[in-house]
Amino acid sequence: AQSVTQLDSHVSVSEGTPVLLRCNYSSSYSPSLFWYVQHPNKGLQLLLKYTSAATLVKGINGFEAEFKKSETSFHLTKPSAHMSDAAEYFCVVRFSGGYNKLIFGAGTRLAVHP
Amino acid sequence: SQTIHQWPATLVQPVGSPLSLECTVEGTSNPNLYWYRQAAGRGLQLLFYSVGIGQISSEVPQNLSASRPQDRQFILSSKKLLLSDSGFYLCAWSRETVNTEAFFGQGTRLTVV
Repeated sequence: AQSVTQLDSHVSVSEGTPVLLRCNYSSSYSPSLFWYVQHPNKGLQLLLKYTSAATLVKGINGFEAEFKKSETSFHLTKPSAHMSDAAEYFCVVRFSGGYNKLIFGAGTRLAVHP
Repeated sequence: SQTIHQWPATLVQPVGSPLSLECTVEGTSNPNLYWYRQAAGRGLQLLFYSVGIGQISSEVPQNLSASRPQDRQFILSSKKLLLSDSGFYLCAWSRETVNTEAFFGQGTRLTVV
C-alpha cells in the first residue's frame, strides 16, 4: 500500500537557524513527490517537486529537498528560517497506479521564533 | 494560464441543512479534479476524485457526495449536514500525468452549527 509519513507534527526553530521537515513514503511504484505550504485559512502552494530527474530539488523561498530512494525519504530543508516561513507543510506523493491520486502526509506545523 | 475558483470562502450552516460547494477550473481541459477535507489540526483527507465528466470515485464513506456535470466543474454536496462535516474543504485539479502537481483553490471554511 502507498502511504506518506511526516515524522514531526510540530517543529519549532529560531529565526536564522536551519529548518528540517522530514517525510518518508512507502510505495510499490516510482513516485512523484511534492512539498506544499499552507498559511492559515489559505489554499496550498507548491514549494517544489521531484519527478525522477535530479534528486536534489530546489524550490521557492530558499527551500530544497533531496530524494533518497534507499531511505524512501524526501526531507525538506532550508538553511536559514525566516519569520514568514511559519506555516503548515505537507509532503505529498503521487503514484502511477490508482488514477494517479495524490496522497498527503498529516502535515508539519513550523513555528519560527525571533 | 490555468485558474481554479472555489466558493463560497466561508459558510455557516445548521445541522440537517443541505450543502453545495462549487469548484470550477479555467484554462485547461479534461483535468483530474479532487475534493479534500482538512479537519482542525489534521492533514488533508481525500474525499472524492474525478477523471472525467460523470466519473466520481469516493475515498471514504460519508455524508457527502460529489458530481461533475461539466468537464471543469466539480460540486460537493450533502442532503443533510452533520456537525462532523465541519472543516476546511479544498478543491484541486491536476493533469493526469503522474509527474505533475495539483493546484488548489482557496478553500471553504464550513461550520455546521
